[in-house]
Amino acid sequence: AQSVTQLDSQVPVFEEAPVELRCNYSSSVSVYLFWYVQYPNQGLQLLLKYLSGSTLVKGINGFEAEFNKSQTSFHLRKPSVHISDTAEYFCAVIAFGNEKLTFGTGTRLTIIP
Amino acid sequence: DAGITQSPRHKVTETGTPVTLRCHQTENHRYMYWYRQDPGHGLRLIHYSYGVKDTDKGEVSDGYSVSRSKTEDFLLTLESATSSQTSVYFCAISESPSGGTDTQYFGPGTRLTVL
Repeated sequence: AQSVTQLDSQVPVFEEAPVELRCNYSSSVSVYLFWYVQYPNQGLQLLLKYLSGSTLVKGINGFEAEFNKSQTSFHLRKPSVHISDTAEYFCAVIAFGNEKLTFGTGTRLTIIP
Repeated sequence: DAGITQSPRHKVTETGTPVTLRCHQTENHRYMYWYRQDPGHGLRLIHYSYGVKDTDKGEVSDGYSVSRSKTEDFLLTLESATSSQTSVYFCAISESPSGGTDTQYFGPGTRLTVL
């Protein structure tokens, strides 16, 4: 079985400040990990994904995430946020051999001017 | 943007009535998915399809059925809608199972309200 936990349902951050959105996963086998972003009234789009290789993954819009196998985490970071980053962010996991993604419950990022 | 459309985009219906949501893709992707999105639950998989006439259940399939008679269309039917099925429904597509390099691409969503 695979599962993913996003502990923070809402994260308020001042504009131009750094942000970290936390994601922890659980699986008995190796996994692939994803971060999706959902802007208001839109569908989800892929931000970045970890498949293998370097544990630091860079995505669109200046976001990056680091895969930490020992801590079973895949936290998302951005050094300086903008108003346009206001959105809901979803972490997702799929275990090797599975066909179905499991999504976390989402973190709503609010940027304070 | 991946060519995915959902219809209708908004629907209000009454308890006990049947409802069909349509997902249409122009990408010729093999896999199609239906999710529902609810506050505090994130996205949960309802059903998915891995080819024409090939479908399987997700984690919240009770009360829903699906059909896929053509590669490009994936229909989600609520046989007798209930208030607990009020939600935003998203269709997604991918070329192959999400394990691997392939990304899931999402449609714009359908907001369904069951009164």
